[in-house]
Amino acid sequence: DGGITQSPKYLFRKEGQNVTLSCEQNLNHDAMYWYRQDPGQGLRLIYYSQIVNDFQKGDIAEGYSVSREKKESFPLTVTSAQKNPTAFYLCASSIDGRRESYEQYFGPGTRLTVT
Amino acid sequence: GDSVTQMEGPVTLSEEAFLTINCTYTATGYPSLFWYVQYPGEGLQLLLKATKADDKGSNKGFEATYRKETTSFHLEKGSVQVSDSAVYFCALSGGATNKLIFGTGTLLAVQP
Repeated sequence: DGGITQSPKYLFRKEGQNVTLSCEQNLNHDAMYWYRQDPGQGLRLIYYSQIVNDFQKGDIAEGYSVSREKKESFPLTVTSAQKNPTAFYLCASSIDGRRESYEQYFGPGTRLTVT
Repeated sequence: GDSVTQMEGPVTLSEEAFLTINCTYTATGYPSLFWYVQYPGEGLQLLLKATKADDKGSNKGFEATYRKETTSFHLEKGSVQVSDSAVYFCALSGGATNKLIFGTGTLLAVQP
C-alpha cells in the first residue's frame, strides 16, 4: 500500500532541545514538502525539495532544517532557534514538483508539543 | 503575492442540506485550484481539483468550478451527511515549484 508515513504521531520535548520529525514515502514521488499548521490557520510551507540532494526554503524556514539524501525520506529538524515550535506538522509529496497541476499527497501529521 | 480567501466558519448545517463554501483567489498566471478535506487529528486528503478555467472538479458528491472571470472556486454539495463534518481547505498552486497556498480553512459541522 503506497503512501506517506510520519512518525511519531505525538512528540513531546523540552524547550531548548532539537527534535527531528520523520517523513517517508513509497510513492516514488520526486517532490516533498513540510508544512506547519496552527489552530484556526491554514498550512504554511516550511521547506520543500523538488529532487534528491536539493531543497529550498519556504515561507517560514527560520528555526528549521531539512535534508534530502534519499528520494523516499525528508526529515525535518525543529531547532531550539524556533520561537514557537508547538504545532501540527504535515509532510506531503507530489509526483513532480515543477508542475502546478500535480496534487500533493499528505501524511497523517505529527503533533509536536514543546514545554 | 498569490493568496486564497475562503469563508470563515464554522458552518453548521442539518443533514441533507445544501452546502456552499466560498473560495476566491488572487494569482498571477493560471494556477491550478484544489479543495482538501481534513478530518479531526488527521492529515489532508485531496477532495477535488481543477487545472484550467471552466474546469469542474467533482468527487463524492462535491463539486467546484474554476471561474477565471470571478477568480473563484466555490465548493458545493447538494445534500450533506454527518460524515462530511470536517475542515475544508481551498488551495492554489502556480509557477514552477508546485507550492500550495492555502486558505485558512472552513469548519463544517453537520447535525443529524
